[in-house]
Amino acid sequence: KAGVTQTPRYLIKTRGQQVTLSCSPISGHRSVSWYQQTPGQGLQFLFEYFSETQRNKGNFPGRFSGRQFSNSRSEMNVSTLELGDSALYLCASSLLAGQGEAFFGQGTRLTVV
Amino acid sequence: AQTVTQSQPEMSVQEAETVTLSCTYDTSESDYYLFWYKQPPSRQMILVIRQEAYKQQNATENRFSVNFQKAAKSFSLKISDSQLGDAAMYFCAGTDSNYQLIWGAGTKLIIKP
Repeated sequence: KAGVTQTPRYLIKTRGQQVTLSCSPISGHRSVSWYQQTPGQGLQFLFEYFSETQRNKGNFPGRFSGRQFSNSRSEMNVSTLELGDSALYLCASSLLAGQGEAFFGQGTRLTVV
Repeated sequence: AQTVTQSQPEMSVQEAETVTLSCTYDTSESDYYLFWYKQPPSRQMILVIRQEAYKQQNATENRFSVNFQKAAKSFSLKISDSQLGDAAMYFCAGTDSNYQLIWGAGTKLIIKP
């Protein structure tokens, strides 16, 4: 069974641009969560989607948004990028929502210059 | 609000020896899950072990075991017979009231050959 796939692995964007990151969960998993990992703030929860509905959202500005498709694939979008958005963005999939136990992708390293 | 504290930024151990990583999880919830995840240089977060708070028996997975002291809010990870492949960042995490993961700051584990 294939694991969680995140694309792209690396991205370099300019301040003010927008970016879209993609996550394909493990087959059969319906819940996808996104996390931001930075050296200063550590791991922070962004949002969780289950069956195409946002179930929970972390404490991030409205520039961060996401969605989930009917095949459970998820995208997150960051608009008007700021230097502080540079981070590793991790996606995790779970069989059901709110189970805590999650399987992670390798992440997308976003650098904003 | 829940907080996860890992007080050891870095630990080192001789190969084949035993090491214990510390974690405290402060929560008012009675029902929650606790996890140890490992993040090697490849960046992929890998689940090491999981503990349900309502279970008195400590979880064990091969060379990895936990010592969960609910009243003391302590959740330590013991790695026996340390191997070079165990070198990584280790994160302790607990679920909040929405069963989302709250993360500790991590402990870098160095294995000395």
